[in-house]
Amino acid sequence: DGGITQSPKYLFRKEGQNVTLSCEQNLNHDAMYWYRQDPGQGLRLIYYSQIVNDFQKGDIAEGYSVSREKKESFPLTVTSAQKNPTAFYLCATRPRSVGDYGYTFGSGTRLTVV
Amino acid sequence: GQQVMQIPQYQHVQEGEDFTTYCNSSTTLSNIQWYKQRPGGHPVFLIQLVKSGEVKKQKRLTFQFGEAKKNSSLHITATQTTDVGTYFCAGRRLNRDDKIIFGKGTRLHILP
Repeated sequence: DGGITQSPKYLFRKEGQNVTLSCEQNLNHDAMYWYRQDPGQGLRLIYYSQIVNDFQKGDIAEGYSVSREKKESFPLTVTSAQKNPTAFYLCATRPRSVGDYGYTFGSGTRLTVV
Repeated sequence: GQQVMQIPQYQHVQEGEDFTTYCNSSTTLSNIQWYKQRPGGHPVFLIQLVKSGEVKKQKRLTFQFGEAKKNSSLHITATQTTDVGTYFCAGRRLNRDDKIIFGKGTRLHILP
């Protein structure tokens, strides 16, 4: 089955720790995205990447970092500099070519700071 | 920056009643997409509208894109319990194919 795998599903972090959220896809999609979802806030873009070894900051990149060493993988690191990291994190992909393509989302990772 | 406003934020309807959510952009869009997120789930792509004045239907769902390509609506006829969830619109700016701007969503709750 083609799809997006996000792991872990739930993650608990102590204050001051960095954590890395995994996103792996076998859809052969070029573009990958990280969104943060808070109640009542909709989806806010953290980082995105259209090709390997290249990525761009989204609207709320501060306190986060990413890498895109392989087409299939786009891990997100939540650093200790992120002041309010508790949220639902969603990874998404889409083909790079223009067309009638929506985003395909993973099932998400719920991060809680304890 | 560009915003995509979506109203209402919440909607409670009796099962069988109709439901509409509206999406408005501060700038002209190249296209608009709609997504549905079930409680506890992730957003799922429903449809994309591209042309001015475009109307598309998916069974009981009707999607419209405004003539000025700044607003859109999703109408559900005769709601069912399976329609429960949050509906998001997402607009792509002109000449900016790389990302889309999501509205905050409308949460639909069905009363039995």
